[in-house]
Amino acid sequence: QQQVKQSPQSLIVQKGGISIINCAYENTAFDYFPWYQQFPGKGPALLIAIRPDVSEKKEGRFTISFNKSAKQFSLHIMDSQPGDSATYFCAASKSGNTPLVFGKGTRLSVIA
Amino acid sequence: DAGITQSPRHKVTETGTPVTLRCHQTENHRYMYWYRQDPGHGLRLIHYSYGVKDTDKGEVSDGYSVSRSKTEDFLLTLESATSSQTSVYFCAISNTGPDDQPQHFGDGTRLSIL
Repeated sequence: QQQVKQSPQSLIVQKGGISIINCAYENTAFDYFPWYQQFPGKGPALLIAIRPDVSEKKEGRFTISFNKSAKQFSLHIMDSQPGDSATYFCAASKSGNTPLVFGKGTRLSVIA
Repeated sequence: DAGITQSPRHKVTETGTPVTLRCHQTENHRYMYWYRQDPGHGLRLIHYSYGVKDTDKGEVSDGYSVSRSKTEDFLLTLESATSSQTSVYFCAISNTGPDDQPQHFGDGTRLSIL
């Protein structure tokens, strides 16, 4: 059973456009939702994270939107740049020091 | 970058041989994790450690064992490697726990089992 479902698998966006990646989770006990960015040959790096007590968090061009009732959260990348081309993973975990559960990833390509 | 070193970075070995991957951290973080990454599967947890000599199984632990005899080192062992264990393996660390501190990842070990 996949606890975190991520879509789309791949995404192509024009430079300057908005990239949107969506995730849905099953376990209502999850209360920490990070997004990771991964470049080829490197490990995933934390991009931004949110907890369910807020509906949106913004850091620079990156925004997480969170819908607790729908059990969904999404990553928006504004003014997408070729340097944003990478694989993005959403994840979730429960409180009490439990490990992260990851989505399957989205490969983003930003074309000029 | 978080002080995480994975070794080796690349390894090719044969089916049936034992393989040990090492993760070394210089951050004195309590928690350490081993994941494998495969196309179409994302990152899946193999084992994790919440302190020296304290470990627990993850989603895909069959065929793997781990040991942590000191804070800075977390070893992943494939007792008898199989082709299905060909993958990229990532080590991660966090401090008080994944919901308090983010997990930081190493750059991975690419393991090929022929």
